[in-house]
Amino acid sequence: QKEVEQNSGPLSVPEGAIASLNCTYSDRGSQSFFWYRQYSGKSPELIMFIYSNGDKEDGRFTAQLNKASQYVSLLIRDSQPSDSATYLCAVNRQGSSNTGKLIFGQGTTLQVKP
Amino acid sequence: GAGVSQSPRYKVAKRGQDVALRCDPISGHVSLFWYQQALGQGPEFLTYFQNEAQLDKSGLPSDRFFAERPEGSVSTLKIQRTQQEDSAVYLCASSVLETGELFFGEGSRLTVL
Repeated sequence: QKEVEQNSGPLSVPEGAIASLNCTYSDRGSQSFFWYRQYSGKSPELIMFIYSNGDKEDGRFTAQLNKASQYVSLLIRDSQPSDSATYLCAVNRQGSSNTGKLIFGQGTTLQVKP
Repeated sequence: GAGVSQSPRYKVAKRGQDVALRCDPISGHVSLFWYQQALGQGPEFLTYFQNEAQLDKSGLPSDRFFAERPEGSVSTLKIQRTQQEDSAVYLCASSVLETGELFFGEGSRLTVL
């Protein structure tokens, strides 16, 4: 079992719809959770991070964390073709003094069709 | 600089050659990381520096991989006697200490023939 699991997709949604991206992790002690977006041939860029159970909203993006279920999700409202990219879920282990040592999932490819 | 700069962007090496990949982090960023990203996969941690100190090298796949950051700014990842399985994009990232937010460079794509 991988430490961080994502469905590779592709996930295809029509423009204007809500895209829901999911991620599960195996280390129950994980404390910090990140969503990165990676366009084809480009480097990952941070979209959101979440530390506490519940929802965190930033513009069209909402991150959801459920530590009991070891589940993180990213919702993208009013999806645009420019949102088409691979979305990487990343987790920081419990007690890691190296806060940048992230464990990444393989990423979910999102396609937003006009 | 404005962002993390990596060079070369593309490198083709014959099996057995040594390669050196350079990373120039964002000015003032104490922490520097190297990740390896294979095609279709997420990045995998290689090593971490805080200033010039290499605090974690647990992700380096073999003793053919070596990284340094002698003056606490520019870093070099060296791969000796390259093998085909070393073909990947090597990503450098820097961050402000303790935030966990990584700023990635564009990567160096290594192809070993």
